[in-house]
Amino acid sequence: RKEVEQDPGPFNVPEGATVAFNCTYSNSASQSFFWYRQDCRKEPKLLMSVYSSGNEDGRFTAQLNRASQYISLLIRDSKLSDSATYLCVVNPSTSGTYKYIFGTGTRLKVLA
Amino acid sequence: DADVTQTPRNRITKTGKRIMLECSQTKGHDRMYWYRQDPGLGLRLIYYSFDVKDINKGEISDGYSVSRQAQAKFSLSLESAIPNQTALYFCATSDRRGSGGVDTQYFGPGTRLTVL
Repeated sequence: RKEVEQDPGPFNVPEGATVAFNCTYSNSASQSFFWYRQDCRKEPKLLMSVYSSGNEDGRFTAQLNRASQYISLLIRDSKLSDSATYLCVVNPSTSGTYKYIFGTGTRLKVLA
Repeated sequence: DADVTQTPRNRITKTGKRIMLECSQTKGHDRMYWYRQDPGLGLRLIYYSFDVKDINKGEISDGYSVSRQAQAKFSLSLESAIPNQTALYFCATSDRRGSGGVDTQYFGPGTRLTVL
């Protein structure tokens, strides 16, 4: 089982739609969780950190479910500019080393 | 100006050549990382450094070496490039003093390397 797994997609959705991605992780002791956005051939950029209580940033909502070991990203009112690959990132360390495990990404295409 | 810069942005080279990829940052972060990205495999960690005197191997360090010349500079070398090192290479920095104490990574624009 991969340490971090994502559905590669693509998810093709119309403008204005709500879309959700899940990401599962294998290490139950994982401490930090993130969603990054990556445009084609560009660097990953931090979208949001994921906190235990869930967090929201505008149209984006991230949630963490430790019992089932997954994180989710919900995008409401999708825009054409949301088209990108969304990377799930997990930091499995409890202290000391800080190593990040990246999912392979979920590709989103928002259609006009 | 970008906080994390990488040079060169694109490079085509031949098998057996020595290549150096450079990374500089103005974020003042102590931690720096080198990753490679291949289609369908996600980002994989090559080396990381928590300060100038600390260098650690990542999951795929074979065939690579690094140098942390200063807090702001972290170079990746391919001593004898081979075709399966063709990939997109990213440098990243992090600092847990910000973002609520959570160590968050920031990436450079990437170097596209092709080894023929």
